[in-house]
Parts: sequence; C-alpha cells; structure tokens
Amino acid sequence: DTGVSQNPRHKITKRGQNVTFRCDPISEHNRLYWYRQTLGQGPEFLTYFQNEAQLEKSRLLSDRFSAERPKGSFSTLEIQRTEQGDSAMYLCASSFGGRYEGNQPQHFGDGTRLSIL
Amino acid sequence: QQQVKQSPQSLIVQKGGIPIINCAYENTAFDYFPWYQQFPGKGPALLIAIRPDVSEKKEGRFTISFNKSAKQFSLHIMDSQPGDSATYFCAASIRSQAGTALIFGKGTTLSVSS
Repeated sequence: DTGVSQNPRHKITKRGQNVTFRCDPISEHNRLYWYRQTLGQGPEFLTYFQNEAQLEKSRLLSDRFSAERPKGSFSTLEIQRTEQGDSAMYLCASSFGGRYEGNQPQHFGDGTRLSIL
Repeated sequence: QQQVKQSPQSLIVQKGGIPIINCAYENTAFDYFPWYQQFPGKGPALLIAIRPDVSEKKEGRFTISFNKSAKQFSLHIMDSQPGDSATYFCAASIRSQAGTALIFGKGTTLSVSS
C-alpha cells in the first residue's frame, strides 16, 4: 500500500491523558499536513511541514498540541492533557512540491479517531 | 467566518440522475479548488480539481463548473450510481502560497437510490 498511513486507527482515552498519533506519508512526498475533522464538518487545518520544517500552525493548534516530523519522513501529533473537545478524527495528508512551488494535490490517510471518555 | 460555503447539506437522487453540489467562496485570492469524496470511516479522497483559468473540467463522470465572477463552483456527477453515495467536500486554497492549507466546505451527503 503506497498511500498515506495513519496509526492507530482508533484511540480511546480518559480525559487528562496524553495521546500520540503517527502519520507515514506517501514516500516521495515532502509536504505533510495535519487536519482535524469533527462529526458533520469538513476537515480543519492544524499544521503543515515542508520536509522537517514546521512552516504553518493554525490557531486551532493550542499549546497542548505538538507536532514533529524528524528527518522529514513520518510525523507525530501529540495532544497533552486531553479534553472532551479534543474528540475528533485526526487526518494526515501529504503532497509533493518545491519550497516555493504552489499547492499540489493533497492525499489523505484514513485518520485516527480519538474518543475522550 | 466560513470562507467556503457549500450547499445543499444533503441530497437524494435516483440512479442515473445528475446530482449538483454548489460552493461559494469569498476570498478572491483563492485559486485552487479541489473536490473530495469521503466514505464513512475513511479519509477524504481527491476526485477532481480546477484552477480559475478554466470554466469547466471533466474527469470521467465528474465535472466541475467554475464561475470566477460569481465566485462559485459546482460539482456535477453524471449517471450517478449507488456506489457514489458518500459525503462530498469542496475546498479552496491559495496556490501561490506554498503549502497553504485547504479550506473545506461543510460537506454534502449524497444518497443515490437504486
């Protein structure tokens, strides 16, 4: 399977716990995006990496959220001290493009569904 | 402020019908408009995309119509099939800014009855 891979697919945790999700982009893609999708809504942008550099962050990305992309390959999204409102589907997308090249098609993984008890 | 407005929220058509989903945007700097299809439990899958220098683009049974002056674009699905039943999202972004996020509409749930 050469698509975007996300793990785990489902995560159930108690309020206040920390969780970490992983995204493996399409192998030749140097751009990686994280989005959040709640029920009945479209995905909302969280953050973007060009290779290993985190270049954009949304206002939705509170200080409890942190994302990394070491070595410009896979990425992790960590949520600390989870709250009820964090329950959502967390989607990862990847694309390919040069540093100053415009947007290229983004391809999404199947997401990690987070449920906070 | 919702930058991309999508309608209708839901749509039911019979097999062979032509559902039409509409989107309107406000930011005139948007210049890349993709449509995504999403099945339950899956991530959005890119269907077709258009840039504002063309008024129409077709890929298989899917057609995007684009009206730059009205700041509107729409998706038409020709000869719809039950397998097309899914949620469809329009999106927009500013192509000239590398890596800029996609701004999505709220989605349209399509049901195609056999």
